[in-house]
Amino acid sequence: KQEVTQIPAALSVPEGENLVLNCSFTDSAIYNLQWFRQDPGKGLTSLLLIQSSQREQTSGRLNASLDKSSGRSTLYIAASQPGDSATYLCAVSGGADGLTFGKGTHLIIQP
Amino acid sequence: DADVTQTPRNRITKTGKRIMLECSQTKGHDRMYWYRQDPGLGLRLIYYSFDVKDINKGEISDGYSVSRQAQAKFSLSLESAIPNQTALYFCATSRARGNYNEQFFGPGTRLTVL
Repeated sequence: KQEVTQIPAALSVPEGENLVLNCSFTDSAIYNLQWFRQDPGKGLTSLLLIQSSQREQTSGRLNASLDKSSGRSTLYIAASQPGDSATYLCAVSGGADGLTFGKGTHLIIQP
Repeated sequence: DADVTQTPRNRITKTGKRIMLECSQTKGHDRMYWYRQDPGLGLRLIYYSFDVKDINKGEISDGYSVSRQAQAKFSLSLESAIPNQTALYFCATSRARGNYNEQFFGPGTRLTVL
């Protein structure tokens, strides 16, 4: 059974810092890895999707990398802003069925 | 306008009551999913559907049933609600493109069972 772990569970940093969120998964036979953002009491917003054949994806200040063989992904946030405060979720897909989620990293950016 | 909508957004009900949560999408996607989110447990898959005639159980389907009334509509029912079904419920969709599985989520329904 696939298991997804996110470290750290919580992170608080001053505004302007670059930061890295980590995600690991136990079964490397994945097709996609997707990073989401969740604001309190709200739904999930898709940030980036990396297909298994890709090494990284970038969107604005966000960069996600994937090392499928070692079962790891990182989400890099450059020049963090208070508006980046949210919970970040990593999820993997073994095909067309549902995603397996980590428990998330709760991020606070201090003004 | 939201691409994936869920109704109701909040619901309080009593143990033993039947309740239905509804999901509609305007994205034209074939695949639809239901998840629940619990503090400390993350999101877990309840049911998913590849089209109107193809419905599959997820990790935690016991106590739930679903109906895919049309390509754009996927409903989740709790036949006899119990307190441990109190959770945040999410609907999601994805386009049928082989194993490419980018999912898009609705805003969620917060369900409380007393």
